[in-house]
Amino acid sequence: EVQLVESGGGSVPPGGSLRLSCAASGFNFKTFWMNWVRQAPGKGLEWVASVNDDATQKDYVDSVKGRFTISRDNDNNFLFLQMNSLRVEETAIYYCVRDSGWNRFDSWGPGTLVTVFS
Amino acid sequence: QSALTQPRSVSGSPGQSVTISCTGGNIEVDGFKYVSWYQQHPGRAPKLILYEVSNRPSGVSIRFSGSKSGNTASLTISGLQTEDEADYYCCSHPSLFGGGTKVTVL
Repeated sequence: EVQLVESGGGSVPPGGSLRLSCAASGFNFKTFWMNWVRQAPGKGLEWVASVNDDATQKDYVDSVKGRFTISRDNDNNFLFLQMNSLRVEETAIYYCVRDSGWNRFDSWGPGTLVTVFS
Repeated sequence: QSALTQPRSVSGSPGQSVTISCTGGNIEVDGFKYVSWYQQHPGRAPKLILYEVSNRPSGVSIRFSGSKSGNTASLTISGLQTEDEADYYCCSHPSLFGGGTKVTVL
Protein backbone atom coordinates (compact mmCIF):
# COMPACT_ATOMS: atom_id res chain seq x y z
CA GLU A 1 0.00 0.00 0.00
CA VAL A 2 1.30 3.42 -0.95
CA GLN A 3 1.88 5.63 2.09
CA LEU A 4 3.03 9.21 2.34
CA VAL A 5 3.42 10.78 5.77
CA GLU A 6 4.42 14.41 6.23
CA SER A 7 6.09 15.90 9.27
CA GLY A 8 7.85 19.09 10.28
CA GLY A 9 4.96 21.51 10.31
CA GLY A 10 4.53 24.02 13.10
CA SER A 11 4.21 27.67 14.01
CA VAL A 12 6.81 30.25 13.02
CA PRO A 13 6.91 34.05 12.84
CA PRO A 14 7.11 35.82 9.49
CA GLY A 15 10.59 35.49 8.07
CA GLY A 16 11.11 32.17 9.80
CA SER A 17 12.09 28.82 8.35
CA LEU A 18 10.77 25.28 8.44
CA ARG A 19 11.81 22.02 6.85
CA LEU A 20 9.05 19.62 5.91
CA SER A 21 9.68 15.93 5.44
CA CYS A 22 7.64 13.23 3.76
CA ALA A 23 8.28 9.56 4.40
CA ALA A 24 7.26 7.38 1.47
CA SER A 25 6.62 3.66 1.50
CA GLY A 26 4.83 0.95 -0.45
CA PHE A 27 6.17 1.88 -3.88
CA ASN A 28 9.41 2.35 -5.79
CA PHE A 29 9.99 5.92 -4.64
CA LYS A 30 13.01 6.63 -6.81
CA THR A 31 11.03 6.17 -10.03
CA PHE A 32 8.35 8.80 -9.38
CA TRP A 33 8.17 12.57 -9.64
CA MET A 34 7.11 14.05 -6.32
CA ASN A 35 5.36 17.29 -5.39
CA TRP A 36 4.31 19.56 -2.59
CA VAL A 37 0.81 21.03 -2.79
CA ARG A 38 -0.61 23.40 -0.19
CA GLN A 39 -4.03 24.54 0.91
CA ALA A 40 -4.62 27.67 2.94
CA PRO A 41 -7.47 27.52 5.47
CA GLY A 42 -10.80 27.52 3.64
CA LYS A 43 -9.08 27.95 0.28
CA GLY A 44 -8.25 25.85 -2.76
CA LEU A 45 -5.28 23.76 -3.73
CA GLU A 46 -2.04 25.33 -4.90
CA TRP A 47 0.85 23.39 -6.38
CA VAL A 48 4.10 24.53 -4.74
CA ALA A 49 7.01 22.50 -6.09
CA SER A 50 7.98 19.37 -7.98
CA VAL A 51 11.09 17.25 -8.33
CA ASN A 52 11.76 14.56 -10.88
CA ASP A 53 12.84 11.04 -10.07
CA ASP A 54 16.58 11.69 -9.87
CA ALA A 55 16.34 15.27 -8.59
CA THR A 56 17.86 16.77 -11.72
CA GLN A 57 14.71 18.80 -12.45
CA LYS A 58 13.00 21.03 -9.93
CA ASP A 59 10.24 23.52 -10.45
CA TYR A 60 8.43 25.99 -8.20
CA VAL A 61 5.40 28.24 -8.22
CA ASP A 62 6.60 31.78 -8.87
CA SER A 63 5.73 33.04 -5.38
CA VAL A 64 8.21 30.71 -3.64
CA LYS A 65 11.14 30.80 -6.05
CA GLY A 66 14.34 31.71 -4.25
CA ARG A 67 12.84 30.92 -0.83
CA PHE A 68 11.76 27.27 -0.98
CA THR A 69 13.88 24.29 -1.98
CA ILE A 70 12.53 20.85 -2.81
CA SER A 71 14.82 17.85 -2.45
CA ARG A 72 14.69 14.11 -2.04
CA ASP A 73 16.64 11.20 -0.57
CA ASN A 74 16.08 8.21 -2.81
CA ASP A 75 18.15 5.92 -0.61
CA ASN A 76 15.82 6.40 2.34
CA ASN A 77 12.57 7.29 0.53
CA PHE A 78 12.15 10.85 1.77
CA LEU A 79 10.93 14.05 0.17
CA PHE A 80 11.76 17.43 1.71
CA LEU A 81 10.72 21.05 1.43
CA GLN A 82 12.98 23.69 2.95
CA MET A 83 10.97 26.86 3.45
CA ASN A 84 12.74 30.13 4.23
CA SER A 85 11.49 33.68 4.66
CA LEU A 86 7.98 32.43 5.35
CA ARG A 87 5.06 34.80 4.92
CA VAL A 88 1.75 35.00 6.79
CA GLU A 89 -0.14 34.12 3.63
CA GLU A 90 1.75 30.83 3.43
CA THR A 91 -0.14 29.45 6.38
CA ALA A 92 -1.56 26.24 4.99
CA ILE A 93 -1.69 22.49 5.09
CA TYR A 94 1.19 21.17 3.02
CA TYR A 95 0.63 17.87 1.23
CA CYS A 96 3.23 15.48 -0.11
CA VAL A 97 1.95 14.15 -3.44
CA ARG A 98 3.07 11.45 -5.84
CA ASP A 99 2.78 12.13 -9.56
CA SER A 100 2.28 9.08 -11.76
CA GLY A 101 2.74 11.15 -14.87
CA TRP A 102 1.26 14.24 -16.49
CA ASN A 103 -0.37 15.62 -13.35
CA ARG A 104 -1.80 12.30 -12.24
CA PHE A 105 -1.50 13.13 -8.54
CA ASP A 106 -2.55 9.71 -7.39
CA SER A 107 -1.35 9.53 -3.80
CA TRP A 108 -1.54 12.21 -1.13
CA GLY A 109 -0.31 12.30 2.42
CA PRO A 110 -2.60 13.51 5.22
CA GLY A 111 -0.75 16.84 5.25
CA THR A 112 1.15 18.88 7.80
CA LEU A 113 0.02 22.29 9.04
CA VAL A 114 2.32 25.28 8.73
CA THR A 115 1.25 28.41 10.59
CA VAL A 116 3.04 31.68 10.03
CA PHE A 117 1.79 34.08 12.70
CA SER A 118 2.21 37.81 12.87
CA GLN B 1 0.59 31.37 -13.99
CA SER B 2 -2.85 31.53 -15.53
CA ALA B 3 -6.06 30.52 -13.83
CA LEU B 4 -8.47 27.65 -14.26
CA THR B 5 -12.05 28.73 -13.66
CA GLN B 6 -14.62 26.53 -11.97
CA PRO B 7 -18.09 27.40 -10.69
CA ARG B 8 -18.05 28.02 -6.96
CA SER B 9 -20.89 25.63 -6.30
CA VAL B 10 -23.31 23.22 -7.90
CA SER B 11 -26.12 21.26 -6.35
CA GLY B 12 -28.48 18.44 -7.17
CA SER B 13 -30.89 16.01 -5.64
CA PRO B 14 -30.02 12.37 -5.02
CA GLY B 15 -30.11 10.44 -8.27
CA GLN B 16 -29.65 13.47 -10.47
CA SER B 17 -26.57 14.34 -12.51
CA VAL B 18 -24.40 17.40 -12.04
CA THR B 19 -21.64 18.74 -14.27
CA ILE B 20 -18.69 20.88 -13.20
CA SER B 21 -16.80 22.87 -15.81
CA CYS B 22 -13.14 23.84 -15.76
CA THR B 23 -12.03 26.52 -18.18
CA GLY B 24 -8.50 27.66 -18.81
CA GLY B 25 -8.37 31.15 -20.29
CA ASN B 26 -4.95 30.93 -21.87
CA ILE B 27 -3.93 27.38 -21.13
CA GLU B 28 -2.62 25.73 -24.25
CA VAL B 29 -5.13 23.23 -25.56
CA ASP B 30 -2.45 20.52 -25.37
CA GLY B 31 -2.27 21.03 -21.62
CA PHE B 32 -5.90 20.05 -21.35
CA LYS B 33 -5.13 16.58 -22.64
CA TYR B 34 -3.90 15.93 -19.12
CA VAL B 35 -6.71 17.34 -17.03
CA SER B 36 -7.22 15.54 -13.75
CA TRP B 37 -9.97 15.87 -11.15
CA TYR B 38 -9.83 15.55 -7.37
CA GLN B 39 -12.48 15.05 -4.72
CA GLN B 40 -11.93 16.44 -1.23
CA HIS B 41 -14.14 15.81 1.75
CA PRO B 42 -13.86 18.20 4.72
CA GLY B 43 -10.77 17.58 6.79
CA ARG B 44 -9.42 15.00 4.35
CA ALA B 45 -6.68 14.97 1.74
CA PRO B 46 -7.77 15.23 -1.90
CA LYS B 47 -8.36 12.04 -3.84
CA LEU B 48 -7.73 11.53 -7.56
CA ILE B 49 -10.97 10.59 -9.36
CA LEU B 50 -10.13 11.20 -13.03
CA TYR B 51 -6.91 11.64 -15.00
CA GLU B 52 -6.14 12.42 -18.63
CA VAL B 53 -9.63 13.88 -18.97
CA SER B 54 -11.70 10.72 -18.59
CA ASN B 55 -9.70 7.87 -17.08
CA ARG B 56 -10.77 6.54 -13.71
CA PRO B 57 -8.26 5.11 -11.24
CA SER B 58 -9.01 1.69 -9.89
CA GLY B 59 -11.77 1.81 -7.29
CA VAL B 60 -13.38 5.06 -8.44
CA SER B 61 -17.08 4.81 -9.17
CA ILE B 62 -18.22 4.72 -12.80
CA ARG B 63 -20.64 7.49 -11.82
CA PHE B 64 -17.73 9.89 -12.32
CA SER B 65 -17.00 10.74 -15.94
CA GLY B 66 -15.02 13.39 -17.75
CA SER B 67 -14.86 15.11 -21.09
CA LYS B 68 -13.07 17.96 -22.83
CA SER B 69 -13.77 20.45 -25.57
CA GLY B 70 -11.03 22.88 -26.51
CA ASN B 71 -9.80 24.40 -23.25
CA THR B 72 -12.84 23.48 -21.21
CA ALA B 73 -12.96 20.22 -19.30
CA SER B 74 -16.00 18.85 -17.52
CA LEU B 75 -16.65 16.42 -14.68
CA THR B 76 -20.07 14.79 -14.53
CA ILE B 77 -21.35 12.97 -11.48
CA SER B 78 -24.26 10.72 -12.37
CA GLY B 79 -26.74 9.24 -9.93
CA LEU B 80 -25.76 11.74 -7.26
CA GLN B 81 -25.33 10.25 -3.78
CA THR B 82 -24.97 11.89 -0.38
CA GLU B 83 -21.33 10.81 -0.16
CA ASP B 84 -20.59 12.82 -3.30
CA GLU B 85 -21.01 16.03 -1.30
CA ALA B 86 -17.49 17.42 -1.33
CA ASP B 87 -15.20 19.91 -3.01
CA TYR B 88 -13.94 19.10 -6.49
CA TYR B 89 -10.82 20.50 -8.15
CA CYS B 90 -9.58 20.30 -11.71
CA CYS B 91 -5.90 20.39 -12.57
CA SER B 92 -4.25 20.91 -15.91
CA HIS B 93 -0.70 20.51 -17.06
CA PRO B 94 1.52 21.98 -15.79
CA SER B 95 0.24 21.61 -12.24
CA LEU B 96 -2.37 24.35 -12.27
CA PHE B 97 -5.42 23.83 -10.08
CA GLY B 98 -8.84 25.32 -10.50
CA GLY B 99 -10.42 27.24 -7.64
CA GLY B 100 -12.66 24.35 -6.62
CA THR B 101 -16.37 23.63 -6.77
CA LYS B 102 -18.51 22.70 -3.80
CA VAL B 103 -21.06 20.03 -4.65
CA THR B 104 -24.12 20.00 -2.43
CA VAL B 105 -26.59 17.14 -2.41
CA LEU B 106 -30.00 18.58 -1.63
